[in-house]
Amino acid sequence: DAGITQSPRHKVTETGTPVTLRCHQTENHRYMYWYRQDPGHGLRLIHYSYGVKDTDKGEVSDGYSVSRSKTEDFLLTLESATSSQTSVYFCAISEWGERPQETQYFGPGTRLLVL
Amino acid sequence: QKEVEQNSGPLSVPEGAIASLNCTYSDRGSQSFFWYRQYSGKSPELIMFIYSNGDKEDGRFTAQLNKASQYVSLLIRDSQPSDSATYLCAVPRGGGADGLTFGKGTHLIIQP
Repeated sequence: DAGITQSPRHKVTETGTPVTLRCHQTENHRYMYWYRQDPGHGLRLIHYSYGVKDTDKGEVSDGYSVSRSKTEDFLLTLESATSSQTSVYFCAISEWGERPQETQYFGPGTRLLVL
Repeated sequence: QKEVEQNSGPLSVPEGAIASLNCTYSDRGSQSFFWYRQYSGKSPELIMFIYSNGDKEDGRFTAQLNKASQYVSLLIRDSQPSDSATYLCAVPRGGGADGLTFGKGTHLIIQP
């Protein structure tokens, strides 16, 4: 299994509070991603990073920000959580190599409930 | 925006039979195609990728790609109850490592 951890694994918070989710990898992969997964929508890309301090928006980035100060860590922040951000959040990593660079490996996920 | 379509199922297959999962995609320029398996409450895990027309086999799994018709299939031979899961099809969003676009997944049930 790819060395990816996410923290916290479960979180309950209240509307309007800030929340930060952490993704940590031990694979030294260059690319990191945040997805959310919701019933009826599947996995959708929030933000991604192609290197330290290099990030870009995905298809559902509104209300989210990210930071990557080290290769191994990618943080997802909900500045002011809303109930619509209740979801399961997955981090993923990828790298150039013998497989297509788009090949992604997923972390265990974080279940977030916003009340 | 690229789209990936899958039948949500559930697809019910008897144990030992061949399970056939299908996926269509909108962008003719897509080059790589991925199949992930996701057990309930777990994260997606990569099963196979394919980027050439034709078949690619890995154990009991065979991926089939038809670029002219814009579909990719996953066949699971000798289906086992442990194959019961949701199967996700994905294509790259763009030309680089800028993420994947996923279908909503097909829920597969293998009946003992």
